[in-house]
Amino acid sequence: DGGITQSPKYLFRKEGQNVTLSCEQNLNHDAMYWYRQDPGQGLRLIYYSQIVNDFQKGDIAEGYSVSREKKESFPLTVTSAQKNPTAFYLCASSIDDRMNTEAFFGQGTRLTVV
Amino acid sequence: AQSVTQLDSQVPVFEEAPVELRCNYSSSVSVYLFWYVQYPNQGLQLLLKYLSGSTLVKGINGFEAEFNKSQTSFHLRKPSVHISDTAEYFCAVTGLWSASKIIFGSGTRLSIRP
Repeated sequence: DGGITQSPKYLFRKEGQNVTLSCEQNLNHDAMYWYRQDPGQGLRLIYYSQIVNDFQKGDIAEGYSVSREKKESFPLTVTSAQKNPTAFYLCASSIDDRMNTEAFFGQGTRLTVV
Repeated sequence: AQSVTQLDSQVPVFEEAPVELRCNYSSSVSVYLFWYVQYPNQGLQLLLKYLSGSTLVKGINGFEAEFNKSQTSFHLRKPSVHISDTAEYFCAVTGLWSASKIIFGSGTRLSIRP
């Protein structure tokens, strides 16, 4: 079955550590996105990528980094510079970056700082 | 600036009652509109979308929405809800401002009472 796989489902991070969230898709989509979800705030865009080896900052990119070395993969690193990383992280993809295409989402990763 | 407002953060209804979840957007250019549903601890999935043509669009699970350009609204409706409709619902918009930037509302939590 085609889809988007995020791993792990739950992740715990100690203060000062970097952690990487995995996102893989087999939908042959060009565009991929990372969102952060906090209660009552909806989804906020962290980074997005329209093609391999290219990505752009979203609205809340500070403290995060990404790479897009392969079409299928778009990992997100939460660095120690992110002061409040506890949240639910969602990865999504779309066929391309045209406005009329919907996004397909993974099941999410819940990150907790301990 | 473009924005999406979901007027109700929570909507409680009784099973088999009708429901309307409200969404208003702000944009000076043409938009494309989407409704997504999120079940607990899962990603989002598309309910329906308006791209062009008929202003009444039908989606999965018996939901429908009507695009009203003059009122800049895209309200979601269902004539009779079921317990299984308990979830969070997000309105989203894309447009000419940036093809890759989907703007999400803050979400409406629908709770169904037996």
